[in-house]
Amino acid sequence: EAQVTQNPRYLITVTGKKLTVTCSQNMNHEYMSWYRQDPGLGLRQIYYSMNVEVTDKGDVPEGYKVSRKEKRNFPLILESPSPNQTSLYFCASRGDSLHEQFFGPGTRLTVL
Amino acid sequence: KQEVTQIPAALSVPEGENLVLNCSFTDSAIYNLQWFRQDPGKGLTSLLLIQSSQREQTSGRLNASLDKSSGRSTLYIAASQPGDSATYLCAVRGQNFVFGPGTRLSVLP
Repeated sequence: EAQVTQNPRYLITVTGKKLTVTCSQNMNHEYMSWYRQDPGLGLRQIYYSMNVEVTDKGDVPEGYKVSRKEKRNFPLILESPSPNQTSLYFCASRGDSLHEQFFGPGTRLTVL
Repeated sequence: KQEVTQIPAALSVPEGENLVLNCSFTDSAIYNLQWFRQDPGKGLTSLLLIQSSQREQTSGRLNASLDKSSGRSTLYIAASQPGDSATYLCAVRGQNFVFGPGTRLSVLP
């Protein structure tokens, strides 16, 4: 089944404790991205990747890192999480500009 | 910078009604526009994708139209059902992928 998977689905952590949210797709998509969703602010893009070893900042990249060492994986790294990074995070992928974007199930992160 | 708005912000209708959700965007230089459905606390389900060269797309009871020159798209839902209750998001693909704030739909039995 074609899908985008994220792990973990739920995470509660404390300020400053490094964490990684994994994202994997099995559709051989070149383009992957991360979004966060907050009440009243909607979905905002954090980082995106056009291909392996090619990443770029979205609208709200501060406090986040990403890497794209393999085509299928695009982990989101929070080196020193802070409470304002409490949010619902989505990973997405698509084949090219003309194709629809597929979203993972989301990761609900709480930083205390 | 692309800005996407959706009207109305919330809508409540009785079951069986036909309804229209609106999406507007400021920059007409887009590749495509995608409509999504999101259930509370859940992920996004893709409903329809319209390429910039297309005028409309249909899937079952859903019909989406696109007028790129005026920066508008509409999502038409025919014969609404309680199971259609969700938040509907539009997103435009230009240089980046930009989402609207969504329309929260409640269909009452």
